[in-house]
Amino acid sequence: AQSVTQLDSQVPVFEEAPVELRCNYSSSVSVYLFWYVQYPNQGLQLLLKYLSGSTLVKGINGFEAEFNKSQTSFHLRKPSVHISDTAEYFCAISGGGADGLTFGKGTHLIIQP
Amino acid sequence: EPEVTQTPSHQVTQMGQEVILRCVPISNHLYFYWYRQILGQKVEFLVSFYNNEISEKSEIFDDQFSVERPDGSNFTLKIRSTKLEDSAMYFCASRETSGRSGELFFGEGSRLTVL
Repeated sequence: AQSVTQLDSQVPVFEEAPVELRCNYSSSVSVYLFWYVQYPNQGLQLLLKYLSGSTLVKGINGFEAEFNKSQTSFHLRKPSVHISDTAEYFCAISGGGADGLTFGKGTHLIIQP
Repeated sequence: EPEVTQTPSHQVTQMGQEVILRCVPISNHLYFYWYRQILGQKVEFLVSFYNNEISEKSEIFDDQFSVERPDGSNFTLKIRSTKLEDSAMYFCASRETSGRSGELFFGEGSRLTVL
């Protein structure tokens, strides 16, 4: 069975400060890793994904994530956040026999002015 | 930009009633999905659909759920007899290609409230 853990349900950050949203996963097989963002009243939008190759992946809106196989982590980072980054962020994995994605519970990023 | 559209955005229903949630996937996509998110909980996989049949379903997707592609554009999720615990946000998604590396495109969701 696969699982994704996002330990922080909420992360408050001041505008222009850096942020890291944590994601750990568990799987007995190789997986692909994804970060999705959900802005208020919108659907889920892909931020970035790791398939293979370089462990540092860059996505949209200045976000990046680093895959760490030994720690089974895929933390999301941004060096300087903006008010418009306020959203729910979901880490997800695919792999094994499952056709769909396995999601974490999400982290609500709150940007304070 | 092509997008997945879902209707209704919010539906309130009485327990025991049938509900149909509708989705229009991106036109050239071949793989379709339903997910749900109970308030405060994870986004959970319900079912995937390809070539007019279910390709995989989770244990949540029991006999009260069904999916259908009644025409060339719509993809529906039917809940036969709703229960209180079916209250959730339901997301439709589609993907162009097979393979788990492909991006899933999600709709904005349909919020179902069962009273």
